[in-house]
Amino acid sequence: SQTIHQWPATLVQPVGSPLSLECTVEGTSNPNLYWYRQAAGRGLQLLFYSVGIGQISSEVPQNLSASRPQDRQFILSSKKLLLSDSGFYLCAWNAGLGSTEAFFGQGTRLTVV
Amino acid sequence: GNSVTQMEGPVTLSEEAFLTINCTYTATGYPSLFWYVQYPGEGLQLLLKATKADDKGSNKGFEATYRKETTSFHLEKGSVQVSDSAVYFCALSDDTGFQKLVFGTGTRLLVSP
Repeated sequence: SQTIHQWPATLVQPVGSPLSLECTVEGTSNPNLYWYRQAAGRGLQLLFYSVGIGQISSEVPQNLSASRPQDRQFILSSKKLLLSDSGFYLCAWNAGLGSTEAFFGQGTRLTVV
Repeated sequence: GNSVTQMEGPVTLSEEAFLTINCTYTATGYPSLFWYVQYPGEGLQLLLKATKADDKGSNKGFEATYRKETTSFHLEKGSVQVSDSAVYFCALSDDTGFQKLVFGTGTRLLVSP
């Protein structure tokens, strides 16, 4: 069966420090991969999505970047964190090919101090 | 652009009460509609979905009908349980094929014994 792993679960980082959140999917090939963020008092917002290795689409301008170095690995990064980067980050995957269901990881609670 | 509006929470109910969580959307084309649920400390799980007008999604006693004429997808359950306490997110995906989800802000449901 397919599973999605996302880590770490919680993270406290100082302003100006780098960030790397990792997400891996097991049990499927060539999935669509997504990073969402939920800021306090707001809904989930799509940050990035990827339909294949090295293919990244950004949905909103921001201080973050994403990479997909392997088929089932999706990384969210920042060179210098801002206070406004605090939030709950969720990785998700979808089988593509018209599939309508997305499967989410457990999420990472990031607090920038 | 596409958007989803859902009722503010928290919604507080007694066990066995009737639940309605309102959701309306704005979208071009023919979106698919979803309800996701987030239990405490967990990631999002798909609760139910509907992919075209007049479809009814159902799961675990929850139901929602895709109403194109009112652009709504209200979530209902006839008798809630304490275990239904969670945050519920209404979402849509556009018809571009990339399954990018647009979420509402979420509604917290608290069910007391």
